[in-house]
Amino acid sequence: KAGVTQTPRYLIKTRGQQVTLSCSPISGHRSVSWYQQTPGQGLQFLFEYFSETQRNKGNFPGRFSGRQFSNSRSEMNVSTLELGDSALYLCASSVPSPHMNTEAFFGQGTRLTVV
Amino acid sequence: AQTVTQSQPEMSVQEAETVTLSCTYDTSENNYYLFWYKQPPSRQMILVIRQEAYKQQNATENRFSVNFQKAAKSFSLKISDSQLGDTAMYFCALTGANSKLTFGKGITLSVRP
Repeated sequence: KAGVTQTPRYLIKTRGQQVTLSCSPISGHRSVSWYQQTPGQGLQFLFEYFSETQRNKGNFPGRFSGRQFSNSRSEMNVSTLELGDSALYLCASSVPSPHMNTEAFFGQGTRLTVV
Repeated sequence: AQTVTQSQPEMSVQEAETVTLSCTYDTSENNYYLFWYKQPPSRQMILVIRQEAYKQQNATENRFSVNFQKAAKSFSLKISDSQLGDTAMYFCALTGANSKLTFGKGITLSVRP
């Protein structure tokens, strides 16, 4: 069974630009979550999508958005990039129970560098 | 709000020895899951072990076991017979009804040959 696939693996963008990251979950997984990892803040939850609907959202500005398609693939978009957006962005997929995700499988991440 | 605290930033252990990584957490929920994730230099987050809060028995996975103290809100990871491949960053994490994972700051574990 293929794992969680994130593309691209590395990205360099200029301040003010926008970026789109992609995540293909494990087949059969309908929940996709996104996390930002930085040395200073650690791992922080961005948002979760389930059946094409945003189910949960973290404390990030509106410049961070996402969506999920009918095949459960997800994209996240960051507009008007700032230097502080440089981070490793991790995607996780899971088969949710009715009330919570009991096990998340992570992709290898997209390393975003904003210059 | 949920919080996860890992107070040790780094640890070192000799190959073949045993090491324990500490984690404390706080949540107001009765039903939740606790996890230990490993992140090697490749950056891939790998699930090491999972504990369901309503289960009193401590989870074990081969060389990895946990000491889950629900009343004390403590969740430590014991690695037995440490191997060089165990060198990585280890994160303690918690999930509840909102399905989001709350992570600790992580601990860097180095296994010395």
